[in-house]
Amino acid sequence: SQKIEQNSEALNIQEGKTATLTCNYTNYSPAYLQWYRQDPGRGPVFLLLIRENEKEKRKERLKVTFDTTLKQSLFHITASQPADSATYLCAPHTGRRALTFGSGTRLQVQP
Amino acid sequence: GAVVSQHPSRVICKSGTSVKIECRSLDFQATTMFWYRQFPKQSLMLMATSNEGSKATYEQGVEKDKFLINHASLTLSTLTVTSAHPEDSSFYICSASLTGGSGNEQFFGPGTRLTVL
Repeated sequence: SQKIEQNSEALNIQEGKTATLTCNYTNYSPAYLQWYRQDPGRGPVFLLLIRENEKEKRKERLKVTFDTTLKQSLFHITASQPADSATYLCAPHTGRRALTFGSGTRLQVQP
Repeated sequence: GAVVSQHPSRVICKSGTSVKIECRSLDFQATTMFWYRQFPKQSLMLMATSNEGSKATYEQGVEKDKFLINHASLTLSTLTVTSAHPEDSSFYICSASLTGGSGNEQFFGPGTRLTVL
């Protein structure tokens, strides 16, 4: 069955460092993959979308890579700030209009 | 950008009562909306797909008679939790995708926290 895995352990880093979050998927080949941010008690907010023919995509301090061979996407936040602290969800496209999310990784940026 | 609202943001009800949650797309039309449920420390799980003018499509294991969905217009979908029980306490989130938008980018509502006593 299709599976999406994100590191369930919280990631704690110092302000100014680069945060790297991982999303692995198995048993399907998504045409694209999305990353969302979710704050406690709030709905997810769209951040970035990367297509299967794109190796890398950037938006301000965010960078996403998509390795279809490894079946993995990496999400980077450079020069991290305490305001970046949140849970980050990946959603590889499964062929449905509705999104299927990974379990999310909580990022905590220490000042 | 596209905005989705939900009402109420928080509701507490007694066991056995019914609760209605509204999801509105404020500045765009959405022929399809989605309802998710999220339990603490877990990811969002799709409950159903709400189609304007037709019956909703429910995910396996979601009782359609318990979670009534009505998508009466292109900007409004409602989820009614009937005869709510404490195990229905959860965070309910709706989303909508822009018609014709690329890549299936979705816009989520702020969520509704339901607590059943």
